[in-house]
Amino acid sequence: GEDVEQSLFLSVREGDSSVINCTYTDSSSTYLYWYKQEPGAGLQLLTYIFSNMDMKQDQRLTVLLNKKDKHLSLRIADTQTGDSAIYFCAETAPNTGGFKTIFGAGTRLFVKA
Amino acid sequence: GAGVSQSPSNKVTEKGKDVELRCDPISGHTALYWYRQSLGQGLEFLIYFQGNSAPDKSGLPSDRFSAERTGGSVSTLTIQRTQQEDSAVYLCASSWDAGGGGETQYFGPGTRLLVL
Repeated sequence: GEDVEQSLFLSVREGDSSVINCTYTDSSSTYLYWYKQEPGAGLQLLTYIFSNMDMKQDQRLTVLLNKKDKHLSLRIADTQTGDSAIYFCAETAPNTGGFKTIFGAGTRLFVKA
Repeated sequence: GAGVSQSPSNKVTEKGKDVELRCDPISGHTALYWYRQSLGQGLEFLIYFQGNSAPDKSGLPSDRFSAERTGGSVSTLTIQRTQQEDSAVYLCASSWDAGGGGETQYFGPGTRLLVL
């Protein structure tokens, strides 16, 4: 079945770039997403990319999509302590009855001052 | 409203009791989703509504779990005879479900359920 995988932890120093990677299996994905979850809060949509794009940049965030390898990454430039959170990768693909979104288990980003 | 709201924000209950969790989606969003997030885990899909109907109930973990949506808006997730393993954060999300980016899901803050 469909699956989305991410590494569980990433630790970086403040000011460095963070790269969070994600792989997925469903080749019919239409959209791919990055969500951020801070402690005790719900998921906040950070950015998304349509499956026919290979890159999207939004301020400090850069999303790269390699559709051939089914690999998605999120780069955070000049990482700050406020970026410490769990980052979830998700993909949406057509499904019976509409569409389905599958989430990864989340990558916990630790930013060291 | 401005975003997805959920109530209660926290719920402590005794094993064996029934609980009802409420989700109020973004106005105009036709699709509504329920997920469960256990401590330190990712999101587990429970159920999806398109309008008032639920085309995908595949994620409900047992027949103790049920959900309904009336008027194409508010949804309630009911857990009967709660067990300690039901303790988790229950997240609700909604989307336009119109395609062309309409699938983007916006999440509520969650209900933290603790079953003693």
